[in-house]
Amino acid sequence: DGGITQSPKYLFRKEGQNVTLSCEQNLNHDAMYWYRQDPGQGLRLIYYSQIVNDFQKGDIAEGYSVSREKKESFPLTVTSAQKNPTAFYLCASSIGPRVLGNQPQHFGDGTRLSIL
Amino acid sequence: GQNIDQPTEMTATEGAIVQINCTYQTSGFNGLFWYQQHAGEAPTFLSYNVLDGLEEKGRFSSFLSRSKGYSYLLLKELQMKDSASYLCAVKGGGADGLTFGKGTHLIIQP
Repeated sequence: DGGITQSPKYLFRKEGQNVTLSCEQNLNHDAMYWYRQDPGQGLRLIYYSQIVNDFQKGDIAEGYSVSREKKESFPLTVTSAQKNPTAFYLCASSIGPRVLGNQPQHFGDGTRLSIL
Repeated sequence: GQNIDQPTEMTATEGAIVQINCTYQTSGFNGLFWYQQHAGEAPTFLSYNVLDGLEEKGRFSSFLSRSKGYSYLLLKELQMKDSASYLCAVKGGGADGLTFGKGTHLIIQP
């Protein structure tokens, strides 16, 4: 079945440590996104990529980095510079620039990151 | 700037109808989406509106008025499984992602 796979489901980070969250999709989508969700807050955009080898900062990119070396994969690294990393991280994808109009984003099941 | 407002919480009765409102102020507009999110799970797509009017899909309908910056999601024949958060999101004028509201937590009572 086509879909978006995020791993791991739960992740713990020590102080000063970088961690990488995986996101893989087999929907043949060009566009991929990373959001962060905190209790009582809406989803906030961290980074997005419209095409392979290109990505752009979202609203809250500080302390995060991404890469887009393959169409299927868009890993997110939470660096030690991110001072408040505890959150629910959601990866999404959509068809991308090829199609205008209705482009719902499809979400993975999320990764819950906590600080030890 | 981007701003999306929706009520924090609503309560409704099983079998009844509920309307969840969303108002938005965004730079550019390329459509409004509604998502359902159960606790601890991923959001799932419910509806999309880009033109004014009502879109109906089974028990769920969504309405848009672009001139008023207003949308609502209408849920009919409520079931206990409809207890979830409902997220309003707008696609702005750029190539970036969606701007989400904080979500409306809907509680269904027997």
